[in-house]
Amino acid sequence: GAVVSQHPSRVICKSGTSVKIECRSLDFQATTMFWYRQFPKQSLMLMATSNEGSKATYEQGVEKDKFLINHASLTLSTLTVTSAHPEDSSFYICSASYPGARGMNTEAFFGQGTRLTVV
Amino acid sequence: AQKITQTQPGMFVQEKEAVTLDCTYDTSDPSYGLFWYKQPSSGEMIFLIYQGSYDQQNATEGRYSLNFQKARKSANLVISASQLGDSAMYFCAMREGPGSARQLTFGSGTQLTVLP
Repeated sequence: GAVVSQHPSRVICKSGTSVKIECRSLDFQATTMFWYRQFPKQSLMLMATSNEGSKATYEQGVEKDKFLINHASLTLSTLTVTSAHPEDSSFYICSASYPGARGMNTEAFFGQGTRLTVV
Repeated sequence: AQKITQTQPGMFVQEKEAVTLDCTYDTSDPSYGLFWYKQPSSGEMIFLIYQGSYDQQNATEGRYSLNFQKARKSANLVISASQLGDSAMYFCAMREGPGSARQLTFGSGTQLTVLP
């Protein structure tokens, strides 16, 4: 089946540094990918929609200059957390949709997620 | 208004018993899809089952079935013959509109614990 690979799975960085998270669709082309953020024991909240070849669309309240998204190819989207601070510590997870065998958009595949800790 | 509502923060079930996790949704779009995901402590999102708004029959996938009541806007997940490995967080989600290039909106989740 379709697979979305996210890397790294865990990262610890110092406050003030930047961290890049990669999301790859391994066996299908994803013109659109989504980035979510999840705080402990809470739900997934959409941060932004990543569109191949164009600017990302950010949800209200998400700083686009802090969370840089690049979708340079049909199989890769990256999220860069710039000048990270401890409050950016969270679980980040990407998603891409695949039509599926029934061709009815029946699934949305997720990467493994990245647990970011800023110290 | 919440688009996806899961009213059970936590549920307990005895091993081998069935359990129903509740989910109600709110949308004015006639075309939508409803998803259930399982999230173990590792964090990965495991797809369980999908129900389209135009599907006539309730979706089933192995031990998982979706009790879709369109008029009541509910999409409850039924897990039959619970196993210890079913202990996890379960999220109901909705995608509004046709096509796959749309985000999912998630409920707050239900933490399921299966007791031996």
